[in-house]
Amino acid sequence: SQQGEEDPQALSIQEGENATMNCSYKTSINNLQWYRQNSGRGLVHLILIRSNEREKHSGRLRVTLDTSKKSSSLLITASRAADTASYFCATDDGGNQFYFGTGTSLTVIP
Amino acid sequence: DAGVIQSPRHEVTEMGQEVTLRCKPISGHNSLFWYRQTMMRGLELLIYFNNNVPIDDSGMPEDRFSAKMPNASFSTLKIQPSEPRDSAVYLCASRGPNSPLHFGNGTRLTVT
Repeated sequence: SQQGEEDPQALSIQEGENATMNCSYKTSINNLQWYRQNSGRGLVHLILIRSNEREKHSGRLRVTLDTSKKSSSLLITASRAADTASYFCATDDGGNQFYFGTGTSLTVIP
Repeated sequence: DAGVIQSPRHEVTEMGQEVTLRCKPISGHNSLFWYRQTMMRGLELLIYFNNNVPIDDSGMPEDRFSAKMPNASFSTLKIQPSEPRDSAVYLCASRGPNSPLHFGNGTRLTVT
């Protein structure tokens, strides 16, 4: 399977703390994306990082990519209760094939 | 932009019945995807269309599953006959050129 894996599977933190999630994948990629899924909803795109990039920022999000280790991390700084959701990484080869990880369930305690 | 619209939101049916799930992609998006999401297997791509043409249906579990896209604004996923192991959340997504996937809120299917 080309599906990636997120680590940890579940994470519980206090509001205001930082949350770090990791993603590992198996094949060469063109892009890696992170998505968020709130309970009972579809996935929402957060951020995309290209294979030739090492770090990217968007608001409170910071994504890193290490293609030599086939891994990425998502850091959410100063977490809020509203950040409670599942987070998925997805890789693509430049076409229409997207491979989703297994997800990290984040709970932010107010 | 109304987003990707899926219907119904919830479907409960008995084993053996036909189930039809519907999806309206975002206007202007030329690719449409059907995913199945379960706790055990995560997100699985079932099929995707480019310009209304099925490109890759290798993820369709078996002949009981079929998908159509008669025009750029509508797609259906049909299961006939349905089985309890088909119970899952079915997600539809669309994308335009060089854009990320935009997902609908899904249909939660329960087959008893």
